[in-house]
Amino acid sequence: KNQVEQSPQSLIILEGKNCTLQCNYTVSPFSNLRWYKQDTGRGPVSLTIMTFSENTKSNGRYTATLDADTKQSSLHITASQLSDSASYICVVIPYSSASKIIFGSGTRLSIRP
Amino acid sequence: DTAVSQTPKYLVTQMGNDKSIKCEQNLGHDTMYWYKQDSKKFLKIMFSYNNKELIINETVPNRFSPKSPDKAHLNLHINSLELGDSAVYFCASSQQRTRTGAGELFFGEGSRLTVL
Repeated sequence: KNQVEQSPQSLIILEGKNCTLQCNYTVSPFSNLRWYKQDTGRGPVSLTIMTFSENTKSNGRYTATLDADTKQSSLHITASQLSDSASYICVVIPYSSASKIIFGSGTRLSIRP
Repeated sequence: DTAVSQTPKYLVTQMGNDKSIKCEQNLGHDTMYWYKQDSKKFLKIMFSYNNKELIINETVPNRFSPKSPDKAHLNLHINSLELGDSAVYFCASSQQRTRTGAGELFFGEGSRLTVL
């Protein structure tokens, strides 16, 4: 079982709608949790970085939340656009080893016009 | 002005060949990484170098050998390629340690390796 699990695996929504992607992790303690966006054929790009003491972080239409008690994070996308079609990857950095970054397998989001 | 650049972007080769993928970063970071993304889209760390020194070497076959001539470059050489080596290989860089832990990762565009 991966230490970072994401759901759903894939999601299709209509342009303009909102959606929420989930990330459950077992890594503990951790120094920070990140969300990355990976367009098809491109490298991942950082969206948000939250330390273990932060509850929420926004980046434009993207808002990430973190509940350290339940070990859950979510990424909420508002007013989706066609360019939001991508994979979204949850990443956890263990406190003990900052270099051993743990990636989730991602949620594949498709925005339909 | 690409921050992390890797070449080639696509590589198609026969089993048994030896190939290299090059990576360069112009961000002044002190740590560079090689990741493998398999067909299930998991990104798995292969190697990490900090100031030209190997700090992570995950369980990868010794056919894979990283080489860091300086802290701005980390190349990946693969000997005796096998079918299972087909994947997308990503180079990344970061500052090793910041107040909140590992610095932000900046990825290259990936190199898609296909072994026939």
